[in-house]
Amino acid sequence: GESVGLHLPTLSVQEGDNSIINCAYSNSASDYFIWYKQESGKGPQFIIDIRSNMDKRQGQRVTVLLNKTVKHLSLQIAATQPGDSAVYFCAEKKNSWGKLQFGAGTQVVVTP
Amino acid sequence: NAGVTQTPKFQVLKTGQSMTLQCAQDMNHEYMSWYRQDPGMGLRLIHYSVGAGITDQGEVPNGYNVSRSTTEDFPLRLLSAAPSQTSVYFCASSVQVGSYNEQFFGPGTRLTVL
Repeated sequence: GESVGLHLPTLSVQEGDNSIINCAYSNSASDYFIWYKQESGKGPQFIIDIRSNMDKRQGQRVTVLLNKTVKHLSLQIAATQPGDSAVYFCAEKKNSWGKLQFGAGTQVVVTP
Repeated sequence: NAGVTQTPKFQVLKTGQSMTLQCAQDMNHEYMSWYRQDPGMGLRLIHYSVGAGITDQGEVPNGYNVSRSTTEDFPLRLLSAAPSQTSVYFCASSVQVGSYNEQFFGPGTRLTVL
């Protein structure tokens, strides 16, 4: 079946470096994608979203890139900080009425 | 605003016991949902509600019941707990159905069934 998945379960990043978290999706009908951050013991927290009519969207220190040709989504975090250590989930939605489908998550560990 | 609140934070049950996980939001959100999160897996949708009096099943509804008598509250009931229901449960809400609004998540309830 179609699903959202992540390439790497764990990503180790040195403080100050840029992080890139990848996500593959197989449902070409999905038109909305979201990145969530989940810190230990807390609920997921919205980071940034992107609609399928866009290729790139920027937030504060974060950028989401969408490549519809290869069905790939990525989250870039600039100048990674210790507070960025968390599990990052991508999620997709088929349309505004669709339900969110989550990937398994990537653990980001920031080292000094 | 308190956002999305969940109680209890932790719970241990014996197999066969029943209990209700509470969820409330004070943002007047139309859409509410329950997810479970298991190690190495993404969040899976259990039940959801598009408004007071309306609920529907998600991806993994078996063993759970929900009701939505008010806009604010969306309790999740385990009728007869099983070890397979050991998980972390998250409640979420968003402004309305049929929109691209973000979902706001509660802090979670960690449930262990012995």
